[in-house]
Amino acid sequence: DAGVTQSPTHLIKTRGQHVTLRCSPISGHKSVSWYQQVLGQGPQFIFQYYEKEERGRGNFPDRFSARQFPNYSSELNVNALLLGDSALYLCASSSPTSRVGTDTQYFGPGTRLTVL
Amino acid sequence: TQLLEQSPQFLSIQEGENLTVYCNSSSVFSSLQWYRQEPGEGPVLLVTVVTGGEVKKLKRLTFQFGDARKDSSLHITAAQPGDTGLYLCAGETYSNAGKSTFGDGTTLTVKP
Repeated sequence: DAGVTQSPTHLIKTRGQHVTLRCSPISGHKSVSWYQQVLGQGPQFIFQYYEKEERGRGNFPDRFSARQFPNYSSELNVNALLLGDSALYLCASSSPTSRVGTDTQYFGPGTRLTVL
Repeated sequence: TQLLEQSPQFLSIQEGENLTVYCNSSSVFSSLQWYRQEPGEGPVLLVTVVTGGEVKKLKRLTFQFGDARKDSSLHITAAQPGDTGLYLCAGETYSNAGKSTFGDGTTLTVKP
């Protein structure tokens, strides 16, 4: 079975541009989360979507937005790019349950965004 | 704001040595995960611990969750070059299920 897939793999943009990153979850998973990982740091939570609704939002500016489609795939959009947005953007999918600790997140390989 | 601190930040050892890395917080977590990440790839889940005092073993890796569910450790026995990578811990609270808070990781290098 295919794991979480993300596209594109790498992306180079200039300041002020916008970018759209895409994620396809594992088949059967209805929850998708987005993380930003700056070099040398751990991933930082951006958004979680479940059944096409936003379930959580991290401490990121309104330039960051996301949505989830009926097939549970997701897009992350970033407007007015800044140099500091350069990072690895990770998508994770899960199949939430009511049991603590069983909401295992499976990460994709990420999209490496470079802002010049 | 939750904060997970990992130590050491960097660790370089010889093949065959043992090591322990730590993950500490002032927050109580409902569950804590350990991941391993290689350059250019996403984190891969190693283990999830949910019960205070829990110990889990995965071949040469031993994971422990603190009694108060605020800290965790990862012990590797007889490290091998294939263990090289970034080890991340991440925690979730009851109020933030699905929103993992990550530490900044321990970069492990095992020299042959």
